[in-house]
Amino acid sequence: AQTVTQSQPEMSVQEAETVTLSCTYDTSESDYYLFWYKQPPSRQMILVIRQEAYKQQNATENRFSVNFQKAAKSFSLKISDSQLGDAAMYFCAYRRGGGNTPLVFGKGTRLSVIA
Amino acid sequence: DTEVTQTPKHLVMGMTNKKSLKCEQHMGHRAMYWYKQKAKKPPELMFVYSYEKLSINESVPSRFSPECPNSSLLNLHLHALQPEDSALYLCASSQGAGGSQPQHFGDGTRLSIL
Repeated sequence: AQTVTQSQPEMSVQEAETVTLSCTYDTSESDYYLFWYKQPPSRQMILVIRQEAYKQQNATENRFSVNFQKAAKSFSLKISDSQLGDAAMYFCAYRRGGGNTPLVFGKGTRLSVIA
Repeated sequence: DTEVTQTPKHLVMGMTNKKSLKCEQHMGHRAMYWYKQKAKKPPELMFVYSYEKLSINESVPSRFSPECPNSSLLNLHLHALQPEDSALYLCASSQGAGGSQPQHFGDGTRLSIL
């Protein structure tokens, strides 16, 4: 079974600084996708960034980027120029390729942004 | 604003009540999902509908009954729930049910069982 591990239950960062959230996963599949979701206190799960396993290039979305190390099964999220609105619970998630596959979430990392 | 709309936002019900949660999306997505999320925990998948057919049921108790009347609408019918069923219920949709398709989530319904 696939598992996703987020080893940092809580993190904090100063406003305008950079922070990296860790995620590792375990799978024997070669076709899969990785996601970072953000869940602020407002409850909605918001997709932050997506990475296809077959792509070597790390995904980037504005201030958010990932460091995808396929051999190490590591998928960390870097947030640059942190803003107060980045404060939220961040979930790393894995999904096997193919149809009708479940999204497997890590336990989450709560990020606080200090003004 | 979310493109996946869930109603109601809050629901309090007794263990003998029957109620329904509603989820609607107008993005043309053909896969829809129900998740249960307890406080400070990640979401847990309950059901997946693909092209209006139930494709995944993660061993959910029969007191939860999903329904997909059309490609835009997903319901979750609740009956004889237990206090441990109190949680945030999230609906999501994706263009297809394939692994590459990102899921778009609604704001959730916070359910409290008395």
